[in-house]
Amino acid sequence: DTGVSQDPRHKITKRGQNVTFRCDPISEHNRLYWYRQTLGQGPEFLTYFQNEAQLEKSRLLSDRFSAERPKGSFSTLEIQRTEQGDSAMYLCASTKKMNTEAFFGQGTRLTVV
Amino acid sequence: GDSVTQMEGPVTLSEEAFLTINCTYTATGYPSLFWYVQYPGEGLQLLLKATKADDKGSNKGFEATYRKETTSFHLEKGSVQVSDSAVYFCALSDAGISSGSARQLTFGSGTQLTVLP
Repeated sequence: DTGVSQDPRHKITKRGQNVTFRCDPISEHNRLYWYRQTLGQGPEFLTYFQNEAQLEKSRLLSDRFSAERPKGSFSTLEIQRTEQGDSAMYLCASTKKMNTEAFFGQGTRLTVV
Repeated sequence: GDSVTQMEGPVTLSEEAFLTINCTYTATGYPSLFWYVQYPGEGLQLLLKATKADDKGSNKGFEATYRKETTSFHLEKGSVQVSDSAVYFCALSDAGISSGSARQLTFGSGTQLTVLP
């Protein structure tokens, strides 16, 4: 048990619908990361937060994607108007600011039909 | 940009066999290097890391040495067990700080290892 919780574990949605995922990092970890992993590939960075500030966004994060971490604790990742290409595993990780390993959650598997 | 290339799998070995999973990288600056492991149904876990050239990371019988001259970080284990069956990811961090908590990790595509009894 890594301590990072993600909800839901699985989500099936119809194309065009909006979905929201939640990540609860390890308590007191001030950095939180979102990654996307497609079948047979390694995770790809999407965005990260230090406390409540979103410090970097990947080019993979299109305008349909938005992430928040309003109180510097849990984070949400929303995908609007989902497309079949959004089908993937969405991973969350958290760390302390410096010199500690990144702890990953088990991920949310999204299937867009 | 930064990139990581891993040997393609899947890799199937008999118990007690020697394991090597190759990993090479491209990066500007001086990245830190990592191996993560993903057991079935579980999240990614850090297996080992190395933060500068010639450093050797080790954990659970696995080892990898940061080779700047060959831009490599190959994973090795002398005698694998059935419980080592998992997907292994090589990764680098894009900042020059000695941790996995840099701005982001760049991962390879993963290598599926199956160890048969």
